[in-house]
Amino acid sequence: AQSVAQPEDQVNVAEGNPLTVKCTYSVSGNPYLFWYVQYPNRGLQFLLKYITGDNLVKGSYGFEAEFNKSQTSFHLKKPSALVSDSALYFCAVRDELNAGNNRKLIWGLGTSLAVNP
Amino acid sequence: DTEVTQTPKHLVMGMTNKKSLKCEQHMGHRAMYWYKQKAKKPPELMFVYSYEKLSINESVPSRFSPECPNSSLLNLHLHALQPEDSALYLCASTLTGGPLLNTEAFFGQGTRLTVV
Repeated sequence: AQSVAQPEDQVNVAEGNPLTVKCTYSVSGNPYLFWYVQYPNRGLQFLLKYITGDNLVKGSYGFEAEFNKSQTSFHLKKPSALVSDSALYFCAVRDELNAGNNRKLIWGLGTSLAVNP
Repeated sequence: DTEVTQTPKHLVMGMTNKKSLKCEQHMGHRAMYWYKQKAKKPPELMFVYSYEKLSINESVPSRFSPECPNSSLLNLHLHALQPEDSALYLCASTLTGGPLLNTEAFFGQGTRLTVV
């Protein structure tokens, strides 16, 4: 079965420290992977995606993610966390079982990031 | 213009009411989506319109009725809802949908719906 796992419900990090939000996936073939962020009382915002190419993907707001095929992971990282990064983060992978118009995204359960001043 | 605009932002409705949620984008995106989101949970896909045709209905109860009048507009008509339907309803769009689905989704800020 296709799935996305975000093993941590909550991540706490001090401002200025590096942060990592973990994501592992299970789909057949080459995955299309996405990270989205949701600030309180807001819609989701796209951060970055991996389709093909360089395993290190750079995205919005200084975030980056590393695709690791052997570990089926796509962890989100930032070298120096800001208090304003506190939000809910979702990893998603494109459905690879449905090839036609039924194709959709499969979402992880989300990780709440708290950056403490 | 890289925005998806949803109206209203907040809606309180009784279980016998009929109301509609509206979504608009002017990015030339050809796929539009309705999601339902409960607090601190991932968005749940409800409907997808691809090139103005309904391509996905995730077995949503008939009290929710989507409509896509044109490529820029998406409506969600609500009738006889239940309190458990209270949630944040998000509209999103992508440049293409269907088989490709390799581009990022743009989300609106959502409509916070409360059913009383």
